[in-house]
Amino acid sequence: ETGVTQTPRHLVMGMTNKKSLKCEQHLGHNAMYWYKQSAKKPLELMFVYNFKEQTENNSVPSRFSPECPNSSHLFLHLHTLQPEDSALYLCASSQDTQGRETQYFGPGTRLLVL
Amino acid sequence: AQKITQTQPGMFVQEKEAVTLDCTYDTSDPSYGLFWYKQPSSGEMIFLIYQGSYDQQNATEGRYSLNFQKARKSANLVISASQLGDSAMYFCAMREGDDYKLSFGAGTTVTVRA
Repeated sequence: ETGVTQTPRHLVMGMTNKKSLKCEQHLGHNAMYWYKQSAKKPLELMFVYNFKEQTENNSVPSRFSPECPNSSHLFLHLHTLQPEDSALYLCASSQDTQGRETQYFGPGTRLLVL
Repeated sequence: AQKITQTQPGMFVQEKEAVTLDCTYDTSDPSYGLFWYKQPSSGEMIFLIYQGSYDQQNATEGRYSLNFQKARKSANLVISASQLGDSAMYFCAMREGDDYKLSFGAGTTVTVRA
């Protein structure tokens, strides 16, 4: 069991819409991550939060805006997305950002931008 | 340079047989960790097994075992007694030193036949 939940599981949005993805972890972890998984590409790390502080922004376009109100919740706010942003967005958590900690993933949100 | 290489895009295995998934890695850091994740069609990335570079023994978790050959920089996953539920995409990943970032391979799709 992973203890990481994501909502919604599926999302279809137009390029002018604004939507948010939600991630919640029930593992007592302090680090949370957003990944993007596109077809035929390796997972791409987008953002990292450790103890609610953003520690990584992997050159992600500003149309993606993360928010981490506490160590259990992570949001990804989406606005004016492009069709190439269609992908599976995975959230993960770990005890902290020490390298030895295993990252546990949620089920992902499948996003389709029309 | 690619840090994780998975050369088998797809494999078929008969139920109850064993299957080996290849993974080679590239790092100059003497301290690193290797992970295997399973991703069913539902999308969730499920952590399977971990091997640390200084671990003396090969990792095992139930039907999963890791054939760690340090000199050859390979960390192959062996799934014994395959079950239909093992059909999924399998990813090898590595973190180096104290860096929390995971480098993922392209994945191998396993299809278990009855």
